[in-house]
Amino acid sequence: NAGVMQNPRHLVRRRGQEARLRCSPMKGHSHVYWYRQLPEEGLKFMVYLQKENIIDESGMPKERFSAEFPKEGPSILRIQQVVRGDSAAYFCASSLRYGYTFGSGTRLTVV
Amino acid sequence: AQTVTQSQPEMSVQEAETVTLSCTYDTSESDYYLFWYKQPPSRQMILVIRQEAYKQQNATENRFSVNFQKAAKSFSLKISDSQLGDAAMYFCAYRNPLHYQLIWGAGTKLIIKP
Repeated sequence: NAGVMQNPRHLVRRRGQEARLRCSPMKGHSHVYWYRQLPEEGLKFMVYLQKENIIDESGMPKERFSAEFPKEGPSILRIQQVVRGDSAAYFCASSLRYGYTFGSGTRLTVV
Repeated sequence: AQTVTQSQPEMSVQEAETVTLSCTYDTSESDYYLFWYKQPPSRQMILVIRQEAYKQQNATENRFSVNFQKAAKSFSLKISDSQLGDAAMYFCAYRNPLHYQLIWGAGTKLIIKP
């Protein structure tokens, strides 16, 4: 069991570009969560998805951010027109029901 | 709204000694889960220990144990016989069992002195 796989591990984007972060949940897990970690802070919830459904996106910024978890393939967190303030570590977690397993995160740097 | 507070930004301990990391939380719920996660430089978020609020017995995992004081809303982590590999950021987190979001503290950086 490979665990939760996130890629890329590091991503550098220029201001105004798009960032796409991928998360493959653990085998058999149907729930995916995205969290953001700013420097010197704990994680902040962004969005909760099940296959083909967004269950709760209350933590997502209203603009430029979107997430999906298609029937086939990984979950994608997309950030359009990135700004310096988007620089952070983005973590994905998956669960079958209640127990979380986290990926190693993607560190996004906007230059 | 639930909140989690870790008042120690950084702690250091001599190798082989014992250290306690503090965590307090605020909730009006009677049933919930509390967690300690370890985040080493690799950035992987690793579950250290978990406590169900309805259980009076403090959770223990090898060298890691908690002091859960429900009335005081306190959930401290004790690491015994500290090892160099314990050096990491430690995060306290809360979850309502009927909800899925984890609420996180700001973390404590643990330094192990050889």
